[in-house]
Amino acid sequence: KAGVTQTPRYLIKTRGQQVTLSCSPISGHRSVSWYQQTPGQGLQFLFEYFSETQRNKGNFPGRFSGRQFSNSRSEMNVSTLELGDSALYLCASKITQGAGNTIYFGEGSWLTVV
Amino acid sequence: QKEVEQNSGPLSVPEGAIASLNCTYSDRGSQSFFWYRQYSGKSPELIMSIYSNGDKEDGRFTAQLNKASQYVSLLIRDSQPSDSATYLCAAHSGGGADGLTFGKGTHLIIQP
Repeated sequence: KAGVTQTPRYLIKTRGQQVTLSCSPISGHRSVSWYQQTPGQGLQFLFEYFSETQRNKGNFPGRFSGRQFSNSRSEMNVSTLELGDSALYLCASKITQGAGNTIYFGEGSWLTVV
Repeated sequence: QKEVEQNSGPLSVPEGAIASLNCTYSDRGSQSFFWYRQYSGKSPELIMSIYSNGDKEDGRFTAQLNKASQYVSLLIRDSQPSDSATYLCAAHSGGGADGLTFGKGTHLIIQP
């Protein structure tokens, strides 16, 4: 069974540019969420999508946006990049089973802003 | 504000011993709890999830949950050098719409 697939794995961007990251969840999983991981702040929730609808959003500026397609694949976009956006961006695929949820992460996209 | 607290470590444990990792959470509405292992430069890997008070065992790992005390722990028996990593504790609220709230992680070192 394929896991969560994220592309690209590594990228370098210049301040002011924008970036789009892609995520394909585990087959059959309809919920996709995005997280940012930095050494200083740790892992922080960005947003979650289910059935093409954003269900919740973390405490990030409007430069961070996302969307989900009908096949559950998701993209996130960061506009007007800042140096502080350099981070590991993780996509998570969630399935609800019985009393709880099981959440798996992809390998992540390493973004460096210079 | 929802918070998950972990001792950052490093926690050093001899090979073959039991490693005990702990975390506390602030949101009493949290219903699901997760332990992830993260090696340097890699993404978090799910080890255990726990939803009910008590113990849950999976191989060498045992997760413990005490909702009254808002406390979650992970025990690793027969610790191996390959268990050396950062262990992240995460809490998830009910309703399904919130994201995970993570602790900053505990750095575990298994000494051969």
